Amino acid sequence: AQKITQTQPGMFVQEKEAVTLDCTYDTSDPSYGLFWYKQPSSGEMIFLIYQGSYDQQNATEGRYSLNFQKARKSANLVISASQLGDSAMYFCAMRNLNTGFQKLVFGTGTRLLVSP
Amino acid sequence: EAGVAQSPRYKIIEKRQSVAFWCNPISGHATLYWYQQILGQGPKLLIQFQNNGVVDDSQLPKDRFSAERLKGVDSTLKIQPAKLEDSAVYLCASSFDRNTEAFFGQGTRLTVV
Repeated sequence: AQKITQTQPGMFVQEKEAVTLDCTYDTSDPSYGLFWYKQPSSGEMIFLIYQGSYDQQNATEGRYSLNFQKARKSANLVISASQLGDSAMYFCAMRNLNTGFQKLVFGTGTRLLVSP
Repeated sequence: EAGVAQSPRYKIIEKRQSVAFWCNPISGHATLYWYQQILGQGPKLLIQFQNNGVVDDSQLPKDRFSAERLKGVDSTLKIQPAKLEDSAVYLCASSFDRNTEAFFGQGTRLTVV
């Protein structure tokens, strides 16, 4: 079974600073994908970044990067140069990629507040 | 490229009434998901379709919830009869295949009173 744990209910950061949102996961499948989504107050889930378990390098997408530590089973999201518009809920999710149609499982989320 | 479309955006019903939600996925996306997101929680998968077949409905309360995806495109999710605990945001998502990222609609916020 897959499990995602996000231990930070809320995080505060000042504008232009970097912030790390924690995510740990548990799975017995050697092949899996890790995702981060942003959910602003409007409610839509916005895909941010993806990391495959066999990817050699940490994923980056603009100001978003994923600090993937496979041995620790962690996939922390790093947001550099925070902006006011980054204030939102952030969800870590994973999917096992082996045979069958594996579900996309989400964590409980972290609320990020960026202050001026 | 058009995103995932959902309607209605908001719905208020009394308990024991029925309600239906509609989802139009991104064109060409074979996989479609319905998630339930209760306030303060992460989304929980209710049902997953691959084309027009169900591949996972293990967390769908089948005594009251039903979903279909006729012709492998649009999908509807129905609740009958609704309970107070069904109050949540119902998110529809689609992906090109089972391994790629899922794109979400804006959701339907259901309030059962």
